[in-house]
Amino acid sequence: RKEVEQDPGPFNVPEGATVAFNCTYSNSASQSFFWYRQDCRKEPKLLMSVYSSGNEDGRFTAQLNRASQYISLLIRDSKLSDSATYLCVVNQYSSASKIIFGSGTRLSIRP
Amino acid sequence: DVKVTQSSRYLVKRTGEKVFLECVQDMDHENMFWYRQDPGLGLRLIYFSYDVKMKEKGDIPEGYSVSREKKERFSLILESASTNQTSMYLCASRTGLSGSPLHFGNGTRLTVT
Repeated sequence: RKEVEQDPGPFNVPEGATVAFNCTYSNSASQSFFWYRQDCRKEPKLLMSVYSSGNEDGRFTAQLNRASQYISLLIRDSKLSDSATYLCVVNQYSSASKIIFGSGTRLSIRP
Repeated sequence: DVKVTQSSRYLVKRTGEKVFLECVQDMDHENMFWYRQDPGLGLRLIYFSYDVKMKEKGDIPEGYSVSREKKERFSLILESASTNQTSMYLCASRTGLSGSPLHFGNGTRLTVT
């Protein structure tokens, strides 16, 4: 079983729709969580950190459920420019280099 | 804003050549990383450095070495390039605080012919 699992998609949704992704992690020692977006042939860029209390940044909301060991990303009022691959990233404090990347969820927004 | 700069966006090298990939960050970050990203395999850690002159092997260090003589610079060296090292190489940095996020450079797409 992979340490971090994401639905690869692709998710194909119309502009203006709300879309949600989940990411599950297997190691309960996981301590910090992030969502990154990656455009085709570009580097991953930090979208947002994920906190236990949940956090929002404009149209984006991230949630962490430690009991069920998953994080989620909700995108409201989706724009064409949201089309990208979204990577879930999990950091374990046991080792500074123990950063686990999900394989990514592809999102395509259609006009 | 954190800036992580990789010296080349695209690089074409011949089999057997020694290849240097340079990465510089301007935020005084302690930790620096080299990853490669391949379709279907995701990001894989090659080497990690937690401070100047300190390094640690990642998941796929074979065929690579690294150098960190100054805090801001982390170099990846392919001792003798091979075609299976054709890939996208991504450098990243972060503070030494546990749990801080990674900041990536814009990547080097290396082709070995």
